[in-house]
Amino acid sequence: DSGVTQTPKHLITATGQRVTLRCSPRSGDLSVYWYQQSLDQGLQFLIQYYNGEERAKGNILERFSAQQFPDLHSELNLSSLELGDSALYFCASSVEIDTDTQYFGPGTRLTVL
Amino acid sequence: AQKVTQAQTEISVVEKEDVTLDCVYETRDTTYYLFWYKQPPSGELVFLIRRNSFDEQNEISGRYSWNFQKSTSSFNFTITASQVVDSAVYFCALSEVGGSYIPTFGRGTSLIVHP
Repeated sequence: DSGVTQTPKHLITATGQRVTLRCSPRSGDLSVYWYQQSLDQGLQFLIQYYNGEERAKGNILERFSAQQFPDLHSELNLSSLELGDSALYFCASSVEIDTDTQYFGPGTRLTVL
Repeated sequence: AQKVTQAQTEISVVEKEDVTLDCVYETRDTTYYLFWYKQPPSGELVFLIRRNSFDEQNEISGRYSWNFQKSTSSFNFTITASQVVDSAVYFCALSEVGGSYIPTFGRGTSLIVHP
């Protein structure tokens, strides 16, 4: 158990809908990362937050957004969902940024029908 | 730009065999970090090891060992006396200063250990 929690574990929704994925980092970790894992693209970095501020952006679509709240939990919002958004979404956290090892949550499996 | 190649898509072995998972990386930075993660069938990603570019010492942890060779840009992972519980997808990753330390992952190697 990495100490990172993600809810929900599974999410099934329809095209065009909007969903919110939630992540609670390990106690004391200030940095949160979001990744998407799909068969086509593999494991891809989406976005990073550090102590409430956006720190780095990767291959994140404009339909997707995220934020980190004062209690350090983070939410990833996915809107206007398409079939291709079906994937496993991971959250990871680390104490600081840069060189720290990231510890991953169990993931949220999103299925868009 | 950083890149990680895991050329072995799938490896199948019988229990107690030794197996080596290959990882080759590309980077222009002199300071970088290499990682291995395990993703068992249950789906979570489990951190196994982190190695910085200045430490080429090989590491052993139980049945696991890692061979880091800068000369060949490789960071290979060996499991000795494999067990069925080792069946998983293993990912190698690289993070570098030039990439803001955001890791780039290889496509993974699926290891199947048969009883």
